[in-house]
Amino acid sequence: AQSVAQPEDQVNVAEGNPLTVKCTYSVSGNPYLFWYVQYPNRGLQFLLKYITGDNLVKGSYGFEAEFNKSQTSFHLKKPSALVSDSALYFCAVRDAGIYNQGGKLIFGQGTELSVKP
Amino acid sequence: DSGVTQTPKHLITATGQRVTLRCSPRSGDLSVYWYQQSLDQGLQFLIQYYNGEERAKGNILERFSAQQFPDLHSELNLSSLELGDSALYFCASSVGGASSYEQYFGPGTRLTVT
Repeated sequence: AQSVAQPEDQVNVAEGNPLTVKCTYSVSGNPYLFWYVQYPNRGLQFLLKYITGDNLVKGSYGFEAEFNKSQTSFHLKKPSALVSDSALYFCAVRDAGIYNQGGKLIFGQGTELSVKP
Repeated sequence: DSGVTQTPKHLITATGQRVTLRCSPRSGDLSVYWYQQSLDQGLQFLIQYYNGEERAKGNILERFSAQQFPDLHSELNLSSLELGDSALYFCASSVGGASSYEQYFGPGTRLTVT
């Protein structure tokens, strides 16, 4: 069964410092990996995805993620954190599903990012 | 704004009642997914529809059902509600084609069962 794990419930970072939110995955076959962000009382917003190709994926709002096949990790990163980045971050893997018809997302438990001024 | 709309935003109801949550996918998206977010279970997949047909089922209770209509909007029906059904229910949509990967989420419906 496919799964993702986010080992940290909370990450605290000072504004201007680099941030990393960790994610490891377990899949059979090629992984389709995603990061989403959830602000209070809002839905999930898509940040970035890894499907194939370069191991460093760039996404929205200056975020990027590094895919590491040997370590089965897909960590989210940002060179310089902003207070407005404070939110709940979810890593997800897409289930294979039926060809051409999409597949469900399997989410990690989420990591609360807090960026202090 | 993701382009996915959900109504209502909030719903407060009593145990034993039945409610219907509505979702309109992004224009052109054929796949609709329903997810439940709760403190103890996290984000859980419930069910997927593709162009009107059920495609995948997750941990969806027998008291819950869904459908996708010809205009592609979807409804999630929750019946015989229990206190534990209180949660945030999200709808998401994706194109559903060969390059369909990311899903776009609506703002959610917060259900409170009293």
